[in-house]
Amino acid sequence: KQEVTQIPAALSVPEGENLVLNCSFTDSAIYNLQWFRQDPGKGLTSLLLIQSSQREQTSGRLNASLDKSSGRSTLYIAASQPGDSATYLCAVSRGNFGNEKLTFGTGTRLTIIP
Amino acid sequence: DVKVTQSSRYLVKRTGEKVFLECVQDMDHENMFWYRQDPGLGLRLIYFSYDVKMKEKGDIPEGYSVSREKKERFSLILESASTNQTSMYLCASSLGGSGLIHEQYFGPGTRLTVT
Repeated sequence: KQEVTQIPAALSVPEGENLVLNCSFTDSAIYNLQWFRQDPGKGLTSLLLIQSSQREQTSGRLNASLDKSSGRSTLYIAASQPGDSATYLCAVSRGNFGNEKLTFGTGTRLTIIP
Repeated sequence: DVKVTQSSRYLVKRTGEKVFLECVQDMDHENMFWYRQDPGLGLRLIYFSYDVKMKEKGDIPEGYSVSREKKERFSLILESASTNQTSMYLCASSLGGSGLIHEQYFGPGTRLTVT
């Protein structure tokens, strides 16, 4: 059974710093990995999707990497801002059709200190 | 932009009531999903639908059923609500298609309290 772990559960950093969030998974037979952001009491917003054949994806100040063989992904946030404060979730895909079911980690709650 | 809407943001129901949670997406997506989110447990898949009238159990289907009569609408039904079903419920959709890789888009969530 796939298990997804995100450590640490919470992280506080001063504004302007670069930071890395970690995600690990136990079964490397994944189709893709997705990073989401969740603001308190809200739904999830998709940030980046990395296909299993890719090693990284970039969007603005965000860069996500994927190492299937070691079962790890990282989300790099450059020049952090207070608006980046949120919970960040990673999820890996599985399923009979290949990509439709996601297994989520429990998230890292990020606080950017002004 | 993809828009996934859920019928209620907050809902309070009594034990034993039949509860309907509605989800609508406006992007002609094939796949729709229902998750629940609980502290310390993360998001867990309840049910999944890959086409109209088609459904597949997720990881925690017990106590729930679903209905998909139209492509854009996916309903989650709690046949007889219990206090352990108090949770945040999140609906999602994705484009679908075997072998294709698509992002899942989420609705704002419904916080259900069963008393």
